[in-house]
Amino acid sequence: GIQVEQSPPDLILQEGANSTLRCNFSDSVNNLQWFHQNPWGQLINLFYIPSGTKQNGRLSATTVATERYSLLYISSSQTTDSGVYFCAARGRDDYKLSFGAGTTVTVRA
Amino acid sequence: SAVISQKPSRDICQRGTSLTIQCQVDSQVTMMFWYRQQPGQSLTLIATANQGSEATYESGFVIDKFPISRPNLTFSTLTVSNMSPEDSSIYLCSGGSSYEQYFGPGTRLTVT
Repeated sequence: GIQVEQSPPDLILQEGANSTLRCNFSDSVNNLQWFHQNPWGQLINLFYIPSGTKQNGRLSATTVATERYSLLYISSSQTTDSGVYFCAARGRDDYKLSFGAGTTVTVRA
Repeated sequence: SAVISQKPSRDICQRGTSLTIQCQVDSQVTMMFWYRQQPGQSLTLIATANQGSEATYESGFVIDKFPISRPNLTFSTLTVSNMSPEDSSIYLCSGGSSYEQYFGPGTRLTVT
């Protein structure tokens, strides 16, 4: 199956700072999603973005499918942004979503 | 989009017992999946729940340990059988189409 790598593994931010999370994947994809797992374990869908750029409030994401990576941008970070961010991808000939190891984000007030 | 509910939300069980987790989707989805997330780890796919037939299990997971049912397009159950402390994890139900996939709130299981 497809391999998904995320970096950095951990990120500590001061409130108000901007950050970029990266996701590399090993093959062509028909699904690329970003999730935020809150402290209660709930996975929140952030973006479905197999290619192109999307924005939702302070968050935006870009996937460059030809170069097999995706970026998640957090601007003006808030303490509520803390948690684990997962990238997950499904290869074109696959049926399952494969997850990266996640980036743990801690935003300090 | 799809809204997915699970119950129970959490449970504490004794070793050797079994727990059945229920998953309900608010709309028909083509695919339903069950994932496990061990403490501090990422999500690992247990199996694909197939409507009206046996689930498709990933390497390392077997039907005797994790029996799964999916009697219709919007409902599935996962049973964790003969539990041991190593089964302590969050179990997540997921559903979607060939495009976006959605997740339930998870069931936090502790085995003592």
